[in-house]
Amino acid sequence: KAGVTQTPRYLIKTRGQQVTLSCSPISGHRSVSWYQQTPGQGLQFLFEYFSETQRNKGNFPGRFSGRQFSNSRSEMNVSTLELGDSALYLCASSLGTSANEQFFGPGTRLTVL
Amino acid sequence: QQQVKQSPQSLIVQKGGISIINCAYENTAFDYFPWYQQFPGKGPALLIAIRPDVSEKKEGRFTISFNKSAKQFSLHIMDSQPGDSATYFCAAGQAAGNKLTFGGGTRVLVKP
Repeated sequence: KAGVTQTPRYLIKTRGQQVTLSCSPISGHRSVSWYQQTPGQGLQFLFEYFSETQRNKGNFPGRFSGRQFSNSRSEMNVSTLELGDSALYLCASSLGTSANEQFFGPGTRLTVL
Repeated sequence: QQQVKQSPQSLIVQKGGISIINCAYENTAFDYFPWYQQFPGKGPALLIAIRPDVSEKKEGRFTISFNKSAKQFSLHIMDSQPGDSATYFCAAGQAAGNKLTFGGGTRVLVKP
């Protein structure tokens, strides 16, 4: 069974731009969660989607948004990029939405210049 | 109250030795405690997880010990191998939802 895939793997943007990252969960998994990983703040939860609905949201500004499609694929968007948004963005998929095992993708490395 | 504290930040162990990583949490609503292993350039990989109804869980060379009253849990890596050199993260989650709160990570180096 294929794992979680994330595209693109690397991205370079400049301040003020916006970016869209994509995640395809493991086949059959309906929950997708997004995390930001930085050396300073570690791994922080952004949001979770299940059946196209946002179920949970972390403590991030409104510039960070996401959505999930009917095939469970998910996208996250960051608008008005700031230097501090440079990070590894990780997507994790899970069967359901009740503390199930979460499987992470390889991440998208975003660099904001 | 959502914090998970992990120690030590880094650890050096000889091949064949035991690596021990500790985590403490504050929120008593947490009821799911996974450990992840991450290699450079890769996403975290689920190693082993425990729920509070058991005090210990073992899978191969990896063991989780859980102390509900102390709100602490730990990962033991037995017979450590150079291939175990990675960063390890503890995490905590609640039954409702998939939000995980992660510890700060422990960088483990196993010397041959």
